[in-house]
Amino acid sequence: KQEVTQIPAALSVPEGENLVLNCSFTDSAIYNLQWFRQDPGKGLTSLLLIQSSQREQTSGRLNASLDKSSGRSTLYIAASQPGDSATYLCAVIYNFNKFYFGSGTKLNVKP
Amino acid sequence: DAGITQSPRHKVTETGTPVTLRCHQTENHRYMYWYRQDPGHGLRLIHYSYGVKDTDKGEVSDGYSVSRSKTEDFLLTLESATSSQTSVYFCAITPFETGGSNTEAFFGQGTRLTVV
Repeated sequence: KQEVTQIPAALSVPEGENLVLNCSFTDSAIYNLQWFRQDPGKGLTSLLLIQSSQREQTSGRLNASLDKSSGRSTLYIAASQPGDSATYLCAVIYNFNKFYFGSGTKLNVKP
Repeated sequence: DAGITQSPRHKVTETGTPVTLRCHQTENHRYMYWYRQDPGHGLRLIHYSYGVKDTDKGEVSDGYSVSRSKTEDFLLTLESATSSQTSVYFCAITPFETGGSNTEAFFGQGTRLTVV
């Protein structure tokens, strides 16, 4: 069974800080990797998809990197805002249709 | 936002009764998934579908069945609900096609099911 680990489990930062969320996986033969955010009581919102041939993807203040050989992905959030407060999940995708989720990092950005 | 609608959004049912949850998509995507999300367990795959009438089991499929008679609808049935099936259920879709590489998953808003 594939193991996906997200560290830290929770993070509290002051507004404006740049931060990094980590995702590690045990099997480097991944197809793709996807980052999501989940607000309380809501579904998952797709943030970034990194295909296995890519090393990073950017969307606005978000940048996700992928290092397959070391089994790691990072999500970088620049100039954090209170609206960024949510749980961030990474999902590692094998064989194009097998998603394995981490348990998430709960982010709190303080005004 | 991807066009995914789950119904109902909330349901309370009694132990032993059958329950059906519905996922409806307007994206014409081939792949559809049912997950459950529980504290301490994260998201776990129940069943998925790769086309009309084509389904397969996930890691926690016991006690659940699915059906897909149309591209747009994927139904999850709890044949005889138990308290251990109290959870939040999410439907997801991806646009993946054979020969392609886009597996970006989009999720519905979830169904909160309580079995008493």
